[in-house]
Amino acid sequence: LAKTTQPISMDSYEGQEVNITCSHNNIATNDYITWYQQFPSQGPRFIIQGYKTKVTNEVASLFIPADRKSSTLSLPRVSLSDTAVYYCLVGDSDNAGNMLTFGGGTRLMVKP
Amino acid sequence: NAGVTQTPKFQVLKTGQSMTLQCAQDMNHNSMYWYRQDPGMGLRLIYYSASEGTTDKGEVPNGYNVSRLNKREFSLRLESAAPSQTSVYFCASTGAFLPYEQYFGPGTRLTVT
Repeated sequence: LAKTTQPISMDSYEGQEVNITCSHNNIATNDYITWYQQFPSQGPRFIIQGYKTKVTNEVASLFIPADRKSSTLSLPRVSLSDTAVYYCLVGDSDNAGNMLTFGGGTRLMVKP
Repeated sequence: NAGVTQTPKFQVLKTGQSMTLQCAQDMNHNSMYWYRQDPGMGLRLIYYSASEGTTDKGEVPNGYNVSRLNKREFSLRLESAAPSQTSVYFCASTGAFLPYEQYFGPGTRLTVT
């Protein structure tokens, strides 16, 4: 399993862009990179997934360099409601039943 | 379409008691998972099931058993509860196609005294 390393916590202010970087040095060829968001007392929720280069959806962008040893989740113009824990996961794309490891995540605090 | 449902939402057990946590999904997903989350910590995988009829251990399987009853249902059993098993338990499921998004249930908050 590819292990991931993320900052434990980050602070930001409303309206700013937030970038959270995840390191995954031993990512395998078949691995995809997935980010989840978790609010208190709720289960995690899928944000975005990518394999290489850049992926964008309505809530975030994911930047993956050519060597794929890291990835950056970008949240544009955050609001107070983006305060949550963000998890970076790396897993095998060939088997949907793979064992994903969540790790400790990054606690994002958005201040007014 | 309810997604992933879990019962019960809350439970208090005494040390040594047993109980089964129930999970069901209505999305026709093959893979299902059980996680635990201790206060202030990330999720740790207890068991998972890649398909009906198969189960595999995750990171922290000791003290737990699972049953993949059918494609919809995946239960987690604590045979003899211990205070160290006080946690929030999440069930999740994943489809067979990209992006392999995990859908999580609302969680069961378990306290063992």
